[in-house]
Amino acid sequence: AQSVTQLGSHVSVSEGALVLLRCNYSSSVPPYLFWYVQYPNQGLQLLLKYTSAATLVKGINDFEAEFKKSETSFHLTKPSAHMSDAAEYFCAVSAASGAGSYQLTFGKGTKLSVIP
Amino acid sequence: NAGVMQNPRHLVRRRGQEARLRCSPMKGHSHVYWYRQLPEEGLKFMVYLQKENIIDESGMPKERFSAEFPKEGPSILRIQQVVRGDSAAYFCASSPPGLSTTGELFFGEGSRLTVL
Repeated sequence: AQSVTQLGSHVSVSEGALVLLRCNYSSSVPPYLFWYVQYPNQGLQLLLKYTSAATLVKGINDFEAEFKKSETSFHLTKPSAHMSDAAEYFCAVSAASGAGSYQLTFGKGTKLSVIP
Repeated sequence: NAGVMQNPRHLVRRRGQEARLRCSPMKGHSHVYWYRQLPEEGLKFMVYLQKENIIDESGMPKERFSAEFPKEGPSILRIQQVVRGDSAAYFCASSPPGLSTTGELFFGEGSRLTVL
């Protein structure tokens, strides 16, 4: 079974400051890892994904995440926050389920606020 | 290329009524997933379907909930005799066969069910 822990349900940063959203995972098999973003009253959009290629993954809107196996982490960063980054961010892990499919398991989410 | 389409976007039901939520996957996608999002919680997997087959329903409540994905038409999540605890956002996601092996999903905007 796999699980995801996102540290901090709410994070506030100033506009232009570094964004760091933390994600730790647990998986008994090599995982695939994802970050999704959700704007109010909308669905989830994929920001970036790790699928066992490069450990540093670049996504849309200058977001990136680094897979660190030794720390079982997949933290999301962005060098400079923009007001439009205010949203909820979900880390997710995918691994084979008992039914032979790949099941996506989400963390509880981190709400990012950007202060002007 | 239309994304994942869900309807209705908002649904209000009284306790004991039935709720039907519909999902049309992206063109070319044959895998459909349903997730439920409760306030302050992440998304919880409910069921994974392919055309005319339920592949994994390990996240579905044992009673009152059912899902189908017929050969023709949208996938339907059906909740019978709704209770207040069923109030949530229900998200549908789809993937083409190849991507289903990594877990990357494309999400609709959700159907928000309110039970009075």
